[in-house]
Amino acid sequence: DTAVSQTPKYLVTQMGNDKSIKCEQNLGHDTMYWYKQDSKKFLKIMFSYNNKELIINETVPNRFSPKSPDKAHLNLHINSLELGDSAVYFCASSPYDRVYGYTFGSGTRLTVV
Amino acid sequence: QQQVKQSPQSLIVQKGGISIINCAYENTAFDYFPWYQQFPGKGPALLIAIRPDVSEKKEGRFTISFNKSAKQFSLHIMDSQPGDSATYFCAATTTSGTYKYIFGTGTRLKVLA
Repeated sequence: DTAVSQTPKYLVTQMGNDKSIKCEQNLGHDTMYWYKQDSKKFLKIMFSYNNKELIINETVPNRFSPKSPDKAHLNLHINSLELGDSAVYFCASSPYDRVYGYTFGSGTRLTVV
Repeated sequence: QQQVKQSPQSLIVQKGGISIINCAYENTAFDYFPWYQQFPGKGPALLIAIRPDVSEKKEGRFTISFNKSAKQFSLHIMDSQPGDSATYFCAATTTSGTYKYIFGTGTRLKVLA
């Protein structure tokens, strides 16, 4: 069983489109995250949710909107996609009260053409 | 102050050699320092982590050395193997509040057979 699973693994879309990436974790963790890894491999946090509540919102364009229907799911919706949005997006989860056990998914490679 | 500086950007080591990757931070509130290993097409996976109350932690061939006064920490991979070829990220976070990892810029390690 995959602990943190993301779908789709690859996403190719045209500029201006709207797309969503889904993430699910079966670890029983309270907190979930979205990270963006750019072409230079730099990893940066975008959002974090704890028990469906937004707790971290970095400086991310309003076109990015996370949604957490329950604590096991955190989806990322992106409106009006731009070329610069091309990157690998990683979902992660962790227990809220322990810094250990921070687990990443395998990533979604988004390519905007 | 939120940055974690990592060097070198890339590293080539002969099989059996020692790989050394260095990181430096500025925020003295950081109190948890993990290292992540990322293979192509995969998400980062926790390799080893250290807290500032110890100066060294060893797990198998992997050792973290920590210098609190210099605000530096490093990963040593002893007897490096071709299977260790991956991108390595250091990270830092505080263990109070939300666990927002600040990642280094990554080191691409290649171990030659």
